[in-house]
Amino acid sequence: DAGVTQSPTHLIKTRGQQVTLRCSPKSGHDTVSWYQQALGQGPQFIFQYYEEEERQRGNFPDRFSGHQFPNYSSELNVNALLLGDSALYLCASSLRGSSYNSPLHFGNGTRLTVT
Amino acid sequence: AQSVTQLDSQVPVFEEAPVELRCNYSSSVSVYLFWYVQYPNQGLQLLLKYLSGSTLVKGINGFEAEFNKSQTSFHLRKPSVHISDTAEYFCAVTALGSARQLTFGSGTQLTVLP
Repeated sequence: DAGVTQSPTHLIKTRGQQVTLRCSPKSGHDTVSWYQQALGQGPQFIFQYYEEEERQRGNFPDRFSGHQFPNYSSELNVNALLLGDSALYLCASSLRGSSYNSPLHFGNGTRLTVT
Repeated sequence: AQSVTQLDSQVPVFEEAPVELRCNYSSSVSVYLFWYVQYPNQGLQLLLKYLSGSTLVKGINGFEAEFNKSQTSFHLRKPSVHISDTAEYFCAVTALGSARQLTFGSGTQLTVLP
């Protein structure tokens, strides 16, 4: 049973460019959340997708956008990259409506470096 | 809104010694509380959670935590650590009904020394 998979594992981009990160949720999960983890900090919630729509959003600018596909996989897009966007981007999946006894499952993340 | 404060950014401890990692939270509503562990170049793994009931919760790898509502704390403890416990530990909260939107602390690096 595959867990949460993210691609690519590492990425280097230049300021001003655009980037797309991908996430496949754990089998049986239908909800995907994205987190940004800057170096030396805890993860920060970006947004959550369910039924192909953004359902919740954290305090991130519109440069951060996403998408969820019918197979529940998800993409995170970041436009006009800034140096401060350098971080580990984590994807977490869950089953909508499940209790907290069913935990979030995190992927290993995509390390984005903006130069 | 919720916030989490992890009082120690780094905790060095010798192997087989006890350890406590401190976490305090702030929230105007009832919350659920979690501890996650992150090993180098990996994602987050759930250690334990407090949802309701007994304030002492036990998790994986011999860790336990105690919820103290009056002190708004959720400290993580282990009576005897191993080299393999070396990792970053994150305390997190979520408001009831917030559909899994977690607020994390800044993390505590636990280093177990031989």
